[in-house]
Amino acid sequence: SQQGEEDPQALSIQEGENATMNCSYKTSINNLQWYRQNSGRGLVHLILIRSNEREKHSGRLRVTLDTSKKSSSLLITASRAADTASYFCATVDSWGKLQFGAGTQVVVTP
Amino acid sequence: SAVISQKPSRDICQRGTSLTIQCQVDSQVTMMFWYRQQPGQSLTLIATANQGSEATYESGFVIDKFPISRPNLTFSTLTVSNMSPEDSSIYLCSVVQTNYGYTFGSGTRLTVV
Repeated sequence: SQQGEEDPQALSIQEGENATMNCSYKTSINNLQWYRQNSGRGLVHLILIRSNEREKHSGRLRVTLDTSKKSSSLLITASRAADTASYFCATVDSWGKLQFGAGTQVVVTP
Repeated sequence: SAVISQKPSRDICQRGTSLTIQCQVDSQVTMMFWYRQQPGQSLTLIATANQGSEATYESGFVIDKFPISRPNLTFSTLTVSNMSPEDSSIYLCSVVQTNYGYTFGSGTRLTVV
């Protein structure tokens, strides 16, 4: 079963704009991760944030985590056409199982 | 991080038949997982492949439909049995390593006709 919801389901922006997507989850977690998938191919790990962290940065990516609200957000700054992909949050439970959210499909137009 | 070789990369199968998907890892890993991604959907965990014992299935998935083998720490197979068009999906294996996190195979795109 899937862990949570993501919104928006789809996002269309211009190059240079920022893209923000949100993820909510249901159960206690050890960490939360964000992945990117291009056109139904394999997943690429983007960033991991632990349950005791509130914010993390990696290049143009910024992730926040609010465990009290069971939610996370992913911000992509200065988006590029190459950022066009589906983005998924995933949570890791105490058994080490990775459960994915529904995903956000991002389209960045030049 | 581990390198995963998954095959076949795609297949078109007749309904009622079975397909076995292989996942080979270039290093020993303790935990290996199988996922299904239906068209336009997210990934759903099918089962955890346990070395030397029966796989642990998630709710909604059963061994008769998705038998899994894990003969050693570098290899696993997932069989999709008695296929129907509803089984048309991408199937992915994944491993987790302490220092590298989760790595995914490139997936098997299955079409059942």
